[in-house]
Amino acid sequence: QQQVKQSPQSLIVQKGGISIINCAYENTAFDYFPWYQQFPGKGPALLIAIRPDVSEKKEGRFTISFNKSAKQFSLHIMDSQPGDSATYFCAADVYIGNQFYFGTGTSLTVIP
Amino acid sequence: GAGVSQSPRYKVAKRGQDVALRCDPISGHVSLFWYQQALGQGPEFLTYFQNEAQLDKSGLPSDRFFAERPEGSVSTLKIQRTQQEDSAVYLCASSLRDSLNTEAFFGQGTRLTVV
Repeated sequence: QQQVKQSPQSLIVQKGGISIINCAYENTAFDYFPWYQQFPGKGPALLIAIRPDVSEKKEGRFTISFNKSAKQFSLHIMDSQPGDSATYFCAADVYIGNQFYFGTGTSLTVIP
Repeated sequence: GAGVSQSPRYKVAKRGQDVALRCDPISGHVSLFWYQQALGQGPEFLTYFQNEAQLDKSGLPSDRFFAERPEGSVSTLKIQRTQQEDSAVYLCASSLRDSLNTEAFFGQGTRLTVV
């Protein structure tokens, strides 16, 4: 059973465009939602994270939007760059819990 | 060290062979996680240590999988009698995991191929 559902599976965006990746969850006990970026041959690296007491968090070109009532959250990458081409995973956790539950990943390609 | 270090980076095992995968976490990190990542999939939880105590092993797929962290630092994931379905990237992560620091830092992983 997939605890966190992620879409789309792949995404192609023009340089300068906005990339949007969506995730949904069912377990209302989750209270920490990180996004990870993974390049080929590398381990996942934390990009940005949010807790459900805020509806939005922005760090540079990356923004998480969080909708607690809908149990959905999304990653927005503004002014997408070719260097952003990677696989992105959303995840969910009970704060300081024992494990992260990851989505299935989105392969982002930014075309120059 | 500067980050989480895993070895070997690549391992090819014949079916039925035993393998041992090593993880050196970031110094001082209390929490250590092992994940399995199949090709094109997200990481799936295997087990969690807090210091030397294995607090959660609910993700280990069978009794052929065994993990230890005897001194609360380096950890080893052992797979006995490997099967083709064990082929995956095995990721280790460590974290301070206290009220202020929740970020988990991942290693580059060990790619296991069972032939």
